[in-house]
Amino acid sequence: DTAVSQTPKYLVTQMGNDKSIKCEQNLGHDTMYWYKQDSKKFLKIMFSYNNKELIINETVPNRFSPKSPDKAHLNLHINSLELGDSAVYFCASSQTRLAGVETQYFGPGTRLLVL
Amino acid sequence: GQQVMQIPQYQHVQEGEDFTTYCNSSTTLSNIQWYKQRPGGHPVFLIQLVKSGEVKKQKRLTFQFGEAKKNSSLHITATQTTDVGTYFCAGGRDGATNKLIFGTGTLLAVQP
Repeated sequence: DTAVSQTPKYLVTQMGNDKSIKCEQNLGHDTMYWYKQDSKKFLKIMFSYNNKELIINETVPNRFSPKSPDKAHLNLHINSLELGDSAVYFCASSQTRLAGVETQYFGPGTRLLVL
Repeated sequence: GQQVMQIPQYQHVQEGEDFTTYCNSSTTLSNIQWYKQRPGGHPVFLIQLVKSGEVKKQKRLTFQFGEAKKNSSLHITATQTTDVGTYFCAGGRDGATNKLIFGTGTLLAVQP
């Protein structure tokens, strides 16, 4: 029973292609996130959705478009892939708190390699 | 923008030695969380500290939140090979609901 799942686990593709990564959580959380982890292991937040509404949108190229069909799913579509997009993308979820930040539960990651 | 730095970037210890990683934020935090990421794995939550000067222990791990709520530390006593991984602190800010800024991470290698 995986709490936060992502597909695919590995993605190897050519520059210029368009690809999507899917994320699902079965924890009943109302907030989901996308993080990018580069080769130096820096973890940077990209987007966050709360109940299907975009609440965090960091400085990310508009080639990246998140979509949340319902609060249990958050997908990431990437257009015109570039070499610099190669990284591990983590999905995470948490329960909203009125103040502060709740524990985040991470998915296993999608390892994207752009050739 | 807000930055959270960790030192050291990398630490190699012999099994049984102690280890400490330090986390420093450029701004005051509402809380600090610590995560561990095993090689090839994903970040896993360890603990959250909320109060100024708070200290929490989990077996051989001791976590501390600074009085000014701008720094934190994680100390591991008598490391074991299972402690290998990257340790991240992550800070939250008042008014920035649900947003965590992750530190730069400290990679711990433990030699048996």
